[in-house]
Amino acid sequence: GAVVSQHPSWVICKSGTSVKIECRSLDFQATTMFWYRQFPKQSLMLMATSNEGSKATYEQGVEKDKFLINHASLTLSTLTVTSAHPEDSSFYICSARSQGNSPLHFGNGTRLTVT
Amino acid sequence: QQQVKQSPQSLIVQKGGIPIINCAYENTAFDYFPWYQQFPGKGPALLIAIRPDVSEKKEGRFTISFNKSAKQFSLHIMDSQPGDSATYFCAAEKGGGNKLTFGTGTQLKVEL
Repeated sequence: GAVVSQHPSWVICKSGTSVKIECRSLDFQATTMFWYRQFPKQSLMLMATSNEGSKATYEQGVEKDKFLINHASLTLSTLTVTSAHPEDSSFYICSARSQGNSPLHFGNGTRLTVT
Repeated sequence: QQQVKQSPQSLIVQKGGIPIINCAYENTAFDYFPWYQQFPGKGPALLIAIRPDVSEKKEGRFTISFNKSAKQFSLHIMDSQPGDSATYFCAAEKGGGNKLTFGTGTQLKVEL
């Protein structure tokens, strides 16, 4: 089946630094990837839609300058949390699908802790 | 505005029981309804999904019942096991390749 790999699985960084999270589709090409954020015991909130070769589409209320998304190839999208603050601490999850009507598969998430 | 409402928030059943999780949606343009299972510290995993042209779909111990007129769908887990203890999310999508709208999640615990 379709596998989405996310790295790192967890990261601790100091306030003010930037952190990059990678999302790879291992056995399929993904023209579109999605980035979600999840707080403890809450649902997944879509942050942005990452499109290969073009700018990401951000959901309302998500700061595009803070959460930089790059989808440089059909198998890799990255999310960079810039100038991280403790309130950015969360579980970030990416997802991808191989084609328009195929199921959406999720990575195993990245636990970000900003101290 | 919550487009997909999920209930209950939490659920405890005995081993072998049949937990039922319900979801209701508002947007009639939704045409794809998946269910995801999530264990702590992991990403969601697709369990089963249904489209509005059928009223029921079964895969192994998991069954989705779909009521298009009521705009409701539910997940039934037959012969539940302690290993089924997880958080379950329903979701809805309109058109192919678009973003999913998730329900609020149900924390299921299956006791011995």
